[in-house]
Amino acid sequence: EAGVAQSPRYKIIEKRQSVAFWCNPISGHATLYWYQQILGQGPKLLIQFQNNGVVDDSQLPKDRFSAERLKGVDSTLKIQPAKLEDSAVYLCASSSHPVGPYNSPLHFGNGTRLTVT
Amino acid sequence: SQQGEEDPQALSIQEGENATMNCSYKTSINNLQWYRQNSGRGLVHLILIRSNEREKHSGRLRVTLDTSKKSSSLLITASRAADTASYFCATEGGNSGGSNYKLTFGKGTLLTVNP
Repeated sequence: EAGVAQSPRYKIIEKRQSVAFWCNPISGHATLYWYQQILGQGPKLLIQFQNNGVVDDSQLPKDRFSAERLKGVDSTLKIQPAKLEDSAVYLCASSSHPVGPYNSPLHFGNGTRLTVT
Repeated sequence: SQQGEEDPQALSIQEGENATMNCSYKTSINNLQWYRQNSGRGLVHLILIRSNEREKHSGRLRVTLDTSKKSSSLLITASRAADTASYFCATEGGNSGGSNYKLTFGKGTLLTVNP
């Protein structure tokens, strides 16, 4: 099966500009996640979708970050305006089961490396 | 906040040696998972151990889970240069309610296997 696709792979922007990332999960996967990984740290969950509904966005900085999952498939994550501290790798992941005690692993894309100057 | 804490932060060994990484966590869990991340890539799932399991094997990997101590270990036997990567433990919450079924990652252990 094809893996999780993300684009772009790299993005460099100036602070206060806007940026968008795109993710296409594995076909048929109900749950989609966006994680932020700052250099030297583990991934931090930003938002979790089940189909096209938001399950958890408690750690999403909603004043500048937004995300949507159209028709329960592809997803976009947007930052507007960007700050220096947003420099990180943004990882998209998907899993086959809906949210719940199904013990299913996550499948990650290769991420988008964002540099804010 | 991140649930799991890996130890050590960095580990350097010679090819052929065994590598052991530990993970401690704070709250009850449904399962614990280990992932590998090669430089510049996404995370790859290695192994999942449920809260009612004590040990699992997969190839050269052996994972143990001690829920009484809230800790897990990942053992890689007969390491190879290709095992060089960061290794993360991740915990999935153990209580009912949708917000608990999310994976929370630790900061990782950077493993270097020297040829």
